Amino acid sequence: GESVGLHLPTLSVQEGDNSIINCAYSNSASDYFIWYKQESGKGPQFIIDIRSNMDKRQGQRVTVLLNKTVKHLSLQIAATQPGDSAVYFCAETPPGGGADGLTFGKGTHLIIQP
Amino acid sequence: NAGVTQTPKFQVLKTGQSMTLQCAQDMNHNSMYWYRQDPGMGLRLIYYSASEGTTDKGEVPNGYNVSRLNKREFSLRLESAAPSQTSVYFCASSVRGAYEQYFGPGTRLTVT
Repeated sequence: GESVGLHLPTLSVQEGDNSIINCAYSNSASDYFIWYKQESGKGPQFIIDIRSNMDKRQGQRVTVLLNKTVKHLSLQIAATQPGDSAVYFCAETPPGGGADGLTFGKGTHLIIQP
Repeated sequence: NAGVTQTPKFQVLKTGQSMTLQCAQDMNHNSMYWYRQDPGMGLRLIYYSASEGTTDKGEVPNGYNVSRLNKREFSLRLESAAPSQTSVYFCASSVRGAYEQYFGPGTRLTVT
């Protein structure tokens, strides 16, 4: 089956700067996408989601952009803080939704430099 | 609400031993999932239960069995543990299907 992938395994940014984490997906018919944050030793935590009929969605300090033309998803984190250090996963829902759940990417490790 | 809880948090087994990982959710979700997470492999689905009374295999079911005990609880059993099953195991639940899933804190299992 098709899978979600990430461009960069590790991203290092200065505290206070903005971060952009990218994700490429290959199933053009996927209709729902989620970003998860996983801190060391913890389970993944929902950050934000977006449906395929949208191209942008904003949360608190986070924005998700969806470009269906190039099948690209990004997570922007504004004014990064030390607590943002984590692994970030994107996930997609197959067309029609799937009882077997989301398809996850492998993750990008975001490191915040002081 | 506790969300999704898992027990135990840590476990060390010898090859050939058996054990059951427990998972419970208090969000009245229909669907529950078991994943394993290995370095560089991301989350891989072991088994899932789309609704109470049903279970199905995921991507990596070999060596595992599951039981959906009731709507709240979904357990994962290793009948004869192998070193290849050393991993971190996560349980998750969702209202339905492939939408927002809520994860437990994980069980770190080492098989020697």
